[in-house]
Amino acid sequence: GAGVSQSPSNKVTEKGKDVELRCDPISGHTALYWYRQSLGQGLEFLIYFQGNSAPDKSGLPSDRFSAERTGGSVSTLTIQRTQQEDSAVYLCASSLRGTSGTTYEQYFGPGTRLTVT
Amino acid sequence: AQKITQTQPGMFVQEKEAVTLDCTYDTSDPSYGLFWYKQPSSGEMIFLIYQGSYDQQNATEGRYSLNFQKARKSANLVISASQLGDSAMYFCAMREDQTGANNLFFGTGTRLTVIP
Repeated sequence: GAGVSQSPSNKVTEKGKDVELRCDPISGHTALYWYRQSLGQGLEFLIYFQGNSAPDKSGLPSDRFSAERTGGSVSTLTIQRTQQEDSAVYLCASSLRGTSGTTYEQYFGPGTRLTVT
Repeated sequence: AQKITQTQPGMFVQEKEAVTLDCTYDTSDPSYGLFWYKQPSSGEMIFLIYQGSYDQQNATEGRYSLNFQKARKSANLVISASQLGDSAMYFCAMREDQTGANNLFFGTGTRLTVIP
């Protein structure tokens, strides 16, 4: 079966430009997450979507970062006016959500490597 | 305070030997989940094993087992019979169930190298 897919796999952009990163979660997974992994570091949570509920944006580092999830499926992470410190791998993950409200393990996509020059 | 601490930046193990990767966690949430992920050089995050805070027995998945010591707040990963393909970064992560935040908190990882 298809896993989580992300596009593009690599993105090089000039400082100040806007970028859009796309995530296609596993079909049927209601929870979707965006994380950022800087070189040699662990993953940093950015934003979480669950069904039609308002997203948890608590991890977004600045107002230049935003994300949408259309139709409860595909998500787009947008970074406006990119800065060099935005260079990182952006990982998307999806999971099922149990009836108790907790989520099962997260399945990750291959990531998008963003380089801001 | 860090929610997940992995104190071993790098570990080496001889092929076919067992290795333990350390992880300690910090939470006041009575219900939580602990995860281990493997990240090979190709970059994808691969789920390995899960331990719930109320699980009575240590989780096992094939050659992976989780040594869960709740009182010490540790969740070490044990890999038995190491293989060359086990060389990768390993991340410990935690989910806090009652805060409503379903995201995972990750440690900084341990790079495991399996020596032939």
